[in-house]
Amino acid sequence: DIQMTQSPSSLSASVGDRVTMTCRASQGIGNSLAWYQQKPGKAPKFLIYATSTLESGVPSRFRGSGSGTDYTLTISSLQPDDFATYYCQQYYTAPPTFGGGTKVEIK
Amino acid sequence: QVQLQESGPGLVKPSETLSLSCSVSGGSISDYYWTWIRQPPGKGLEWIGYIHYSGSTTYNPSLKSRLTISLDTSKNQFSLRLSSVTAADTAVYYCARTDMTIIRYGVDVWGPGTTVIVSS
Repeated sequence: DIQMTQSPSSLSASVGDRVTMTCRASQGIGNSLAWYQQKPGKAPKFLIYATSTLESGVPSRFRGSGSGTDYTLTISSLQPDDFATYYCQQYYTAPPTFGGGTKVEIK
Repeated sequence: QVQLQESGPGLVKPSETLSLSCSVSGGSISDYYWTWIRQPPGKGLEWIGYIHYSGSTTYNPSLKSRLTISLDTSKNQFSLRLSSVTAADTAVYYCARTDMTIIRYGVDVWGPGTTVIVSS
């Protein structure tokens, strides 16, 4: 299985901050990467696929980038609704695997 | 829009079989890959497997020997059976829809999740 490692595991930030989190794959995944947002007690929400394509309805402050083994999710100006845990998922090979998550907390 | 709802026992004894169903409403079960994902308490997401509406399945190799995912198109439902459970199978279980085409991939619709505890 391809291992996905997210960093940091948590971060503290303020509303309006620019936030960046990374996801590293144990081997190249050819941009086959998705991102999800999960709030406590809720199911994840689909945000981004193919590394950088925003799902319909996702605000443009979310931006995905990367290639090869290294990928990034950036939130350009953190909003109160963005405090959550973010997971990456590779779908290059089965089984699709998730990273361990990055929790974005209020500073 | 499509909505999913899990159902099944919240408590299962060790060594027994965990059985869950997922009802699909607001849309057809045709197309798409109907997926199970779980999340142990305080931990991350684990992909369990999916079934295509054609009936083909793909399972997580770590669970494959204990796992069956099936589809009932007449009822617009799909199901999960996981045998010989242990405490390590305690988790919130999500049913979900995966859209997997040449141009788009994502688990884009999720059920609310159901908690399953394995305990005697």
